[in-house]
This record gives sequence, structure tokens and C-alpha cells, in this order.
Amino acid sequence: KQEVTQIPAALSVPEGENLVLNCSFTDSAIYNLQWFRQDPGKGLTSLLLIQSSQREQTSGRLNASLDKSSGRSTLYIAASQPGDSATYLCAVRPNDYKLSFGAGTTVTVRA
Amino acid sequence: DTAVSQTPKYLVTQMGNDKSIKCEQNLGHDTMYWYKQDSKKFLKIMFSYNNKELIINETVPNRFSPKSPDKAHLNLHINSLELGDSAVYFCASSQVPGGLQETQYFGPGTRLLVL
Repeated sequence: KQEVTQIPAALSVPEGENLVLNCSFTDSAIYNLQWFRQDPGKGLTSLLLIQSSQREQTSGRLNASLDKSSGRSTLYIAASQPGDSATYLCAVRPNDYKLSFGAGTTVTVRA
Repeated sequence: DTAVSQTPKYLVTQMGNDKSIKCEQNLGHDTMYWYKQDSKKFLKIMFSYNNKELIINETVPNRFSPKSPDKAHLNLHINSLELGDSAVYFCASSQVPGGLQETQYFGPGTRLLVL
């Protein structure tokens, strides 16, 4: 059974600092991995999707890396802003259709 | 313009009642999902439909029954509500699963509180 762990559970940084969020998964036989953002009381917004054959994906200030063999992904957010405050969720999809989610990392960026 | 919409947004009801949550997507996707997010914030998949056909049915009590009248709609009906059903329920959609690009798009969630 796939287990997804996100460390740390919460993170508080001053504005401008780079953020590093970690995700690990127990079964490396994945099809893809997604990073989502969840704002309080809102739904999830997909940030990046990395296919199993890729090592990283970039979108603006966001960069996600994937090391499938070691079961790890890292989300980097450069030059953080208060608007980046949210919960970031990692989800992996094995070869069936079911996404397995981590519990998330709650980020607070202080102005 | 909302891509994935859910109604109602909030639902407060008594134990034992039957309730439905509706979901609609206007993205032209073939696949829709229902997730439950519990108090510890873990998201777990409950059901998935592809072109009105059930493809994922996790270990969910029989009191939960999804219905897909067409591929743009996936409703969730819950019978005999229990206290433990209190959670946030999210609907999502994506292109046909198994494709190389299958980003899931989520609705805003329905907050269910059973008293």
C-alpha cells in the first residue's frame, strides 16, 4: 500500500526566503506525482505534475524534482511571498487510477 | 466560468438523514472523482467514474452511492448519515486516466457536518 509522507508538517519563513518542501513515498512504481496547493476553506489547485520519466518540472518560481528510485520529491518555491501562504499537498499515482495524498505542509510566509 | 462546481458548499444535518451533494464540470473531461478530507486533512479517494462507468470504488460504506447521469456530472448520495461522515467532500475531474497528462481539477469542496 502506497504511503506518502510530507515533512515538515508546518513551516514559517520571512518573505523573500526560498521554501523547500519534501515528499516521500514508499512504492517507487508510480505513474506520476503532483503537487497541489490548498488555501483555507478552498479546493485544491494543481501546481505541477511530474511524469515518472521526468526528473523535474518548473513553473515560474516553482520547481519540483522527482527521484523515483529513492521515493522522493521536493518542491522549491523561490523568493517566497505572503501570497504563497497555503497548505501544499503531494500526491502520487501508481499504475491504477488512485491518487495517494500526503497530509500536506502548511506554509506561512511572514511579511 | 467555474471549471468544477459543487453544491451545496455547506451542509449541516442530523444523524440518520439522507443527503446528496452535486458536482458538475465544464472542462469536457471524461473522468470524475469523489474524495473525502477528514479532520486530519488526509484526502482519500472514494469513487471515480470514467464516461459514466464506475472505475474506482474504494472501501466505502454502502450508504454512499455515486451517480453519474452524464460525463459532466457526478453526484454523491449518502443514506443514514453518521457522525463520522462529517468531513469535507471534494469532487475532481481529469482527462482519461492513463494519459501522460492527467492533472486533476478540484471543486471548492462541500463541508458536511452531521449533528
